[in-house]
Amino acid sequence: NAGVTQTPKFQVLKTGQSMTLQCAQDMNHEYMSWYRQDPGMGLRLIHYSVGAGITDQGEVPNGYNVSRSTTEDFPLRLLSAAPSQTSVYFCASSPAGSYNEQFFGPGTRLTVL
Amino acid sequence: KQEVTQIPAALSVPEGENLVLNCSFTDSAIYNLQWFRQDPGKGLTSLLLIQSSQREQTSGRLNASLDKSSGRSTLYIAASQPGDSATYLCAVLTGANSKLTFGKGITLSVRP
Repeated sequence: NAGVTQTPKFQVLKTGQSMTLQCAQDMNHEYMSWYRQDPGMGLRLIHYSVGAGITDQGEVPNGYNVSRSTTEDFPLRLLSAAPSQTSVYFCASSPAGSYNEQFFGPGTRLTVL
Repeated sequence: KQEVTQIPAALSVPEGENLVLNCSFTDSAIYNLQWFRQDPGKGLTSLLLIQSSQREQTSGRLNASLDKSSGRSTLYIAASQPGDSATYLCAVLTGANSKLTFGKGITLSVRP
């Protein structure tokens, strides 16, 4: 199993551009989520999904959009990039249920100029 | 709102020391607690998962304990090695939809 994969690894955008961060998992996990990691702030939840067709907002959802059309994929869309969205983005997945371990992808380092 | 605290933010120890990393959380109604390791520029690697009904978990030189009533967990690292140098993150799972709340991490440096 490849586990949780994320693409791209690095990205530089200009303010106002849009882009999609890709996340995929091959473990048939129902739960998937997106976090951002910023110095001094720790990891914060952006959006999450409990299954295909179901998404919800986390702690810092503004400026981001998600959809979940398949169990495997959970893309994160930046609608109009802002410098405040410069961060490292991590995708995670876990089996259904509240007792299961979460697995993280390697991250995408995004810089918005 | 759940808050997770890890103090100190950084720790430097000589090789061979046994050490304890602390984690505290404000809401004891958790499902589980997970310890992660993060190397510079890398993703998160899960080290140990403790369910709310458990008191501790062990993996090799690592032992994690959980005292849910007092809102505390400790990660014990035996006989530390330079390869243990990394940032250690504590996260608690609350709510029914697998939402993790993270501490800011402890950056550990083990000196040869």
